[in-house]
Amino acid sequence: GIQVEQSPPDLILQEGANSTLRCNFSDSVNNLQWFHQNPWGQLINLFYIPSGTKQNGRLSATTVATERYSLLYISSSQTTDSGVYFCAVYSGGYQKVTFGTGTKLQVIP
Amino acid sequence: GAGVSQSPRYKVTKRGQDVALRCDPISGHVSLYWYRQALGQGPEFLTYFNYEAQQDKSGLPNDRFSAERPEGSISTLTIQRTEQRDSAMYRCASSLGFRDRTNEKLFFGSGTQLSVL
Repeated sequence: GIQVEQSPPDLILQEGANSTLRCNFSDSVNNLQWFHQNPWGQLINLFYIPSGTKQNGRLSATTVATERYSLLYISSSQTTDSGVYFCAVYSGGYQKVTFGTGTKLQVIP
Repeated sequence: GAGVSQSPRYKVTKRGQDVALRCDPISGHVSLYWYRQALGQGPEFLTYFNYEAQQDKSGLPNDRFSAERPEGSISTLTIQRTEQRDSAMYRCASSLGFRDRTNEKLFFGSGTQLSVL
């Protein structure tokens, strides 16, 4: 099956800093989403981004499907950004969604 | 409803017992997914439905696991003869549709934390 690797696995940021999270996938995909799992375990959909670039406030995402990667940018990080960020891809079967390994982010004040 | 609802929130059971986990998707959402998440790992695909039809159950670990969505709305994930290795967070997600890719955005419920003693 498709492999979805995220980097870095762990990241510690000072509040106010910027960061880039990366998602690499091993095969062509039909679609890609980014999720934030907060410290309480809630999984929140951040972006639905099959290609191109989208922005939502301090967050933006870019997917280059032909090169099999996606990037999530966090600017001016806040403590509430802490948690685990997952990318998830549609591959193989039309709607089977495979999650990546995750990036655990800690933003310290 | 306003969001994906799962019940119970926590379930503690003894090894060998059967459990049924319920998912109530967002009203009008055609597609429903089940995932399992172990501590420190990403969600692992189990199965999904479009309307009442189970489209893919390749992620179900073995024949003790089954799922149904008889009326195309509420779904139940059943685990028979539970084992300790079944302990995990079980998550349900729904999406508006599947024919139009813009409707494939997934919305997750809070999950059911299953502990098998």
